[in-house]
Amino acid sequence: GENVEQHPSTLSVQEGDSAVIKCTYSDSASNYFPWYKQELGKRPQLIIDIRSNVGEKKDQRIAVTLNKTAKHFSLHITETQPEDSAVYFCAASKANYGGSQGNLIFGKGTKLSVKP
Amino acid sequence: DAGITQSPRHKVTETGTPVTLRCHQTENHRYMYWYRQDPGHGLRLIHYSYGVKDTDKGEVSDGYSVSRSKTEDFLLTLESATSSQTSVYFCAIKGTGGYNEQFFGPGTRLTVL
Repeated sequence: GENVEQHPSTLSVQEGDSAVIKCTYSDSASNYFPWYKQELGKRPQLIIDIRSNVGEKKDQRIAVTLNKTAKHFSLHITETQPEDSAVYFCAASKANYGGSQGNLIFGKGTKLSVKP
Repeated sequence: DAGITQSPRHKVTETGTPVTLRCHQTENHRYMYWYRQDPGHGLRLIHYSYGVKDTDKGEVSDGYSVSRSKTEDFLLTLESATSSQTSVYFCAIKGTGGYNEQFFGPGTRLTVL
């Protein structure tokens, strides 16, 4: 089955710097890759996603890139702010498959700390 | 918040007691999920439902059962709670965007003593 590896597990940056979190997946049939942000004590929130027919997607200060050949995707946060501090999770799924094959498989998370 | 609520939000129970967690949604979503979240493990799928009375196992289903007798409610039951089931439990629904975008409830923190 699908396996998602996420790196690094912790990341500390200065305010204003960029942050990059990387994930690799094992199943070449995966075609949907969301990213979630989870603040302390809160629920995971979907912040951006990318589908396999797109190489890059941006939304203000965040962007996600996908390399299908290498089977990895990355979250890029520019001009980081203290409120970006949170745990970020990547995930992968085969969205057009039925049953359990279509479920999301999550990475183990990256704790991002943005220092003022 | 996609109209998802969970109850209770916090629970402390004793080993060996049964526990039921409830997930309620108001937007008629077909797919619902139960995850547990533990440090170092991320989010792991326990069970999911693809319709009323239609459920299937996830990655970590041992010791858990689920039921879905109506669209809006998805119940997770620990028949005999163990300390290893101390965790934060999140319910999620699948959105209507055509892919597997999921939206989470606020979570239930369960402690088994």
